[in-house]
Amino acid sequence: AQSVTQPDIHITVSEGASLELRCNYSYGATPYLFWYVQSPGQGLQLLLKYFSGDTLVQGIKGFEAEFKRSQSSFNLRKPSVHWSDAAEYFCAVGESLASGGSYIPTFGRGTSLIVHP
Amino acid sequence: GAGVSQTPSNKVTEKGKYVELRCDPISGHTALYWYRQSLGQGPEFLIYFQGTGAADDSGLPNDRFFAVRPEGSVSTLKIQRTERGDSAVYLCASSPSGLAMETQYFGPGTRLLVL
Repeated sequence: AQSVTQPDIHITVSEGASLELRCNYSYGATPYLFWYVQSPGQGLQLLLKYFSGDTLVQGIKGFEAEFKRSQSSFNLRKPSVHWSDAAEYFCAVGESLASGGSYIPTFGRGTSLIVHP
Repeated sequence: GAGVSQTPSNKVTEKGKYVELRCDPISGHTALYWYRQSLGQGPEFLIYFQGTGAADDSGLPNDRFFAVRPEGSVSTLKIQRTERGDSAVYLCASSPSGLAMETQYFGPGTRLLVL
């Protein structure tokens, strides 16, 4: 069965510093990979996704992630963090449904990002 | 345009009671998903609708949980004989066609507390 590990429950960074959130997955085939952000009272918002092709994926809000098959990782990065980036971040791996067509993401437990001024 | 909306935003009920949670997807989206997010965890898949039919309900934890989407738009998640362990945030998402490449758009969720 597929699984996602986000080893850091909390990450604290200073505003303006760089950020890397770790994600490791377990999946037999080439995975669909996602990063979502969840702010308090808000729905999950997709930051970026990887399906195939270029292993460096650009997303919204200045985020990027790199798929590394050899390390089974899909770490999220941002060169300079803003206070508004404080939120919960979820990595997910998507598996096609047996019924066909769609996919269902299996989410990690999330990493809470705290930004100090 | 309007995003995915869910009502109520919060629901408090007593153990053993019946609850209904509503999801209004983005207009025109044929695919609709329900997830459950327990405290400190990521969302877990419950059920997927394509149009009016439940295409996959493999995530429903037991037969106390049921969901419908009679007209292919609004969906209702129904929980019978609620238990304290059902307390969680219930998330709904929709996508245009349910294809693998599509983005799923999430609602803000309904926070359910079973006393």
